Amino acid sequence: VLLTQSPGTLSLSPGERATLSCRASQSVGSSLAWYQQKSGQAPRLLIYGASSRASGVPDRFSGSGFGTDFTLTISRLEPEDFAMYYCQQYGDSLRTFGQGTKVEIK
Amino acid sequence: QVELVESGGGVVQPGGSLRLSCETSGSIFSTSSIHWLRQSPGEGLQWVAVISSDGGTKFYVDSVQGRFTVSRDNSQNTVYLQMNSLRPEDTAIFYCAKEGSFGHWYFDVWGRGTLVIVSS
Repeated sequence: VLLTQSPGTLSLSPGERATLSCRASQSVGSSLAWYQQKSGQAPRLLIYGASSRASGVPDRFSGSGFGTDFTLTISRLEPEDFAMYYCQQYGDSLRTFGQGTKVEIK
Repeated sequence: QVELVESGGGVVQPGGSLRLSCETSGSIFSTSSIHWLRQSPGEGLQWVAVISSDGGTKFYVDSVQGRFTVSRDNSQNTVYLQMNSLRPEDTAIFYCAKEGSFGHWYFDVWGRGTLVIVSS
């Protein structure tokens, strides 16, 4: 399953809303996760099951979608939210990641 | 709090071998499947291998099948990735990660990673 994330880069200001997209080449049901990665760090799980927040994740992060189209929304960007974001599907035997969306400060 | 710490990375010539270790803390290690993933600028994030909690089930991505072997020692809370016949395209940061939920291959705890460079 190929995952395509868009946009490649999102330039926003703190306090703004961020909407990140992940599209799968075939249905993965709700088997989709989102990760945040900051420079020099490992990925951090944000969302699993398309819409369930991982432990400790602020409620400004939300996930939605089913099948082939998924969205990660950050309701109001905090300074620490500027990072790379990856989606990952686990509905197919070959678990794959998207190429990432960079959320940068405008 | 579960923590994972990788070690064993380094620089190796093509055709060489390395053994990575993933040491864990936390009481749930022995009941968790542990995965290896890697990240490189060219390939992005890629799942590499998994070993079940009892070590009886292992899976690998096709590109490392026959070259990499995953194992675990539950008495030492450690998972290993033996990498043989290394290729330049294996150059990456290697992470170990804990499976988020049994049978669901998302990853809720990651180590900090260890860098493997395959170069002559």
